[in-house]
Amino acid sequence: EDQVTQSPEALRLQEGESSSLNCSYTVSGLRGLFWYRQDPGKGPEFLFTLYSAGEEKEKERLKATLTKKESFLHITAPKPEDSATYLCAASILTGGGNKLTFGTGTQLKVEL
Amino acid sequence: SQTIHQWPATLVQPVGSPLSLECTVEGTSNPNLYWYRQAAGRGLQLLFYSVGIGQISSEVPQNLSASRPQDRQFILSSKKLLLSDSGFYLCAWRPGRENEKLFFGSGTQLSVL
Repeated sequence: EDQVTQSPEALRLQEGESSSLNCSYTVSGLRGLFWYRQDPGKGPEFLFTLYSAGEEKEKERLKATLTKKESFLHITAPKPEDSATYLCAASILTGGGNKLTFGTGTQLKVEL
Repeated sequence: SQTIHQWPATLVQPVGSPLSLECTVEGTSNPNLYWYRQAAGRGLQLLFYSVGIGQISSEVPQNLSASRPQDRQFILSSKKLLLSDSGFYLCAWRPGRENEKLFFGSGTQLSVL
């Protein structure tokens, strides 16, 4: 069965304290790995897509990387406004087309 | 530019009452449309998707149904709500091309009491 697992479930950081979020996947035929940010009571907002092992993408304080088994979202010198839930999703080719399987997310809290 | 509208933002309904959530997309044509449900502590669960008018695929058997009466309109319905239907419902769209990112609406928080 295709699975996407995120860890940790929750993470509390001090402002400026860098860390990484993990997304491990067990899927057959990965077509892409997506990262989203979700604020409370809102829909997820797209951050990155990674397509092949070794690929990296950056946006401000965030950098996403991909290996054959997992993806990391590195947060460098986070600020309180980076507090949110971060979701990853694996795109898998099925008989009905590409399907996104989401992890349960990492809830990040950045404190002053 | 493309935008997605989803309403209402919050809804409190009694058990056994009907449900209708609406989602519309502007600025694009022939999008793929999706309904997801997000329960506390769980990932987004795909409920329905549609690749065209009148074409609906259901991912899980449940008390809900979906319809696509127009190209950019997607409706989630129920004839009789259950307590277990409570959750955060998200509409999403993406271009018809494969493997593109999803764009999500702002969500509807449904509480069935």
